[in-house]
Amino acid sequence: QKEVEQNSGPLSVPEGAIASLNCTYSDRVSQSFFWYRQYSGKSPELIMSIYSNGDKEDGRFTAQLNKASQYVSLLIRDSQPSDSATYLCAVNPMEYGNKLVFGAGTILRVKS
Amino acid sequence: GAGVSQSPRYKVAKRGQDVALRCDPISGHVSLFWYQQALGQGPEFLTYFQNEAQLDKSGLPSDRFFAERPEGSVSTLKIQRTQQEDSAVYLCASTMGETQYFGPGTRLLVL
Repeated sequence: QKEVEQNSGPLSVPEGAIASLNCTYSDRVSQSFFWYRQYSGKSPELIMSIYSNGDKEDGRFTAQLNKASQYVSLLIRDSQPSDSATYLCAVNPMEYGNKLVFGAGTILRVKS
Repeated sequence: GAGVSQSPRYKVAKRGQDVALRCDPISGHVSLFWYQQALGQGPEFLTYFQNEAQLDKSGLPSDRFFAERPEGSVSTLKIQRTQQEDSAVYLCASTMGETQYFGPGTRLLVL
């Protein structure tokens, strides 16, 4: 069974701090990894995609991938109250059609 | 349109009623996915279309669930004889490459 595991949280950080969100996956074949942000009552919104080992930075967001450890993370620098949301980790298990397998999400709360 | 649209946004059904959920993908997007998201969970894959062909329906939870995309654009997810456990948000996504763009979802409540 392909699984994506995330700590459900909530993860509480003060405004301006670094938020670190973590995700592990079970399928070694997986090659594509995504972080989505979902505000309450809204649909998931893509933040980052990462395909290679190492770090990928986009503004205040950095995705980190370690395929050997089957681990992907998302760092949010200078966290803002508007970053408060559920962060979903998604993995493409490389089955036909590029369907995504999602974790249950981590709730992030940024306190001002 | 600018994004994926879904209708209705909210649907209340009595147990045993049939419902139909509509998805309008981004123009030109070949692939379309349906996901089911229960409260407090991540989206779970239901089915996938490439143009009008339904290439993967392995996630449909029972034969009460049926999806179609007859002209390769708009898709409809139909749930027959709804049960309380069908209550969830149903998300549609269309894709450009590997990036999936989600619609706003239909929130289904079965009483």
